[in-house]
Amino acid sequence: QSALTQPASVSGSPGQSITISCTGTSSDLGTFNLVSWYQQHPGKAPKLIIYEVRKRPSGVSDRFSASKSGNTASLTISGLQTEDEADYYCCSYAGSNTLVFGGGTRLSVL
Amino acid sequence: QVQLVQSGAEVKKPGASVNLSCKTSEDTFTKNCIHWLRQAPGQGLEWMAIIDPSGRPTNFAQKFQGRATVTREASTRTVFMELSSLTSQDTAIYYCARAPSHSTSSGRWYFDFWGPGTLVTVSS
Repeated sequence: QSALTQPASVSGSPGQSITISCTGTSSDLGTFNLVSWYQQHPGKAPKLIIYEVRKRPSGVSDRFSASKSGNTASLTISGLQTEDEADYYCCSYAGSNTLVFGGGTRLSVL
Repeated sequence: QVQLVQSGAEVKKPGASVNLSCKTSEDTFTKNCIHWLRQAPGQGLEWMAIIDPSGRPTNFAQKFQGRATVTREASTRTVFMELSSLTSQDTAIYYCARAPSHSTSSGRWYFDFWGPGTLVTVSS
């Protein structure tokens, strides 16, 4: 399977909102509502921030929200904080009991 | 408390195999799917495989079929992943990660807890 497509980098100022897109195909993201998002700080294991397209795990800030339309999923972070600076990965079920990741997006909070 | 304890760093020569372990709690071992993923230096995450506690067949990403094996050992509550025919392209941090459920189709396909990762270096 081909990787999902994410922008390599996005940036924003503290307090602003940013959106990271994640584009797949009708074989993966477009068909299944099994999209998850992960935040990874340098040298750390990834952390789940969104599952099943738009659900937030307990303990994850409500500044993180997500949606999906067609073959594209989106993660929005509102009220940017310096600790949001990290890499973000989308992931989708791709059928046949497999998963596919996006290439990752580096968020800079300027 | 969820625990995923991974084995220590490995250095291997090209052509060799590596066997990684991920020790879980009793609850996790019996109720949760375990995934294996990897991350090459400076690169993104790559999904490798899922093993299910209910006895369903293990599933692999196409690129790892035939080269990766995932097994479970009940006596130690440990999941193992062996990767053979290593090349320098296999140099990466390997993570085991827990899916929140094995009994629902949705709950098998994301990761609510991750191990700390094991660095595997393949070099001659």
